[in-house]
Amino acid sequence: SYELTQPPSVSVSPGQTASITCSGDDLGDNFVSWYQKKPGQSPVLVIFQDKMRPSGIPERFSGSNSGNTATLTISGTQAMDEADYYCQAWDSSTGVFGGGTKVTVL
Amino acid sequence: EVQLLESGGGLVQPGGSLRLSCAASGFTFNLYAMSWVRQAPGRGLEWVSAISGGGGNTNYADSVKGRFTISRDSSKNTLYLQMNSLRAEDTAVYFCARELVYSSRPMDYWGQGTLVTVSS
Repeated sequence: SYELTQPPSVSVSPGQTASITCSGDDLGDNFVSWYQKKPGQSPVLVIFQDKMRPSGIPERFSGSNSGNTATLTISGTQAMDEADYYCQAWDSSTGVFGGGTKVTVL
Repeated sequence: EVQLLESGGGLVQPGGSLRLSCAASGFTFNLYAMSWVRQAPGRGLEWVSAISGGGGNTNYADSVKGRFTISRDSSKNTLYLQMNSLRAEDTAVYFCARELVYSSRPMDYWGQGTLVTVSS
């Protein structure tokens, strides 16, 4: 089965840039979505089609996808961005999530 | 306003059954594919199942295939997940989500989740 691999944690200082990677075989051939998940809340879509932002998502969230790696970048990270982030793709009509990355804003 | 409201969660014994519902409003239900996603305590998100807008196509994660059945009733604007032969590892918060019509099938709206606990 297809697997997506994320680093368990990323730390970033307020105002700095956080980069979260998601790796999978030939991942660049698929489209990737990214979700933000805070404890006790429902997931929020922050990036889809590799780099598109839904309405209402701040411009500081951006995405890219090439080769075997997709990346979610948070520029000018704010305290409110502290959360778990999950990449997600589809493999033969089966959904696959990465293991999630905890972003800590120090 | 798009709203998804799950119900039907609760405590069930191993081997038991449960049916989750997801009541949808604020959009034309039968135009959108829908998914169920779960999160076990302390674990990450896991995709469970999806169904096309018309209900003719369904897909399942290997972990639930043969035990869970996804369905939808357009007359009631409701998505269902019938869960049979439940195991302890099915304990999780179950979310329903709407899929946008893009190649990446992003899930743009999510319910608040319903907790399923499988324990004796």
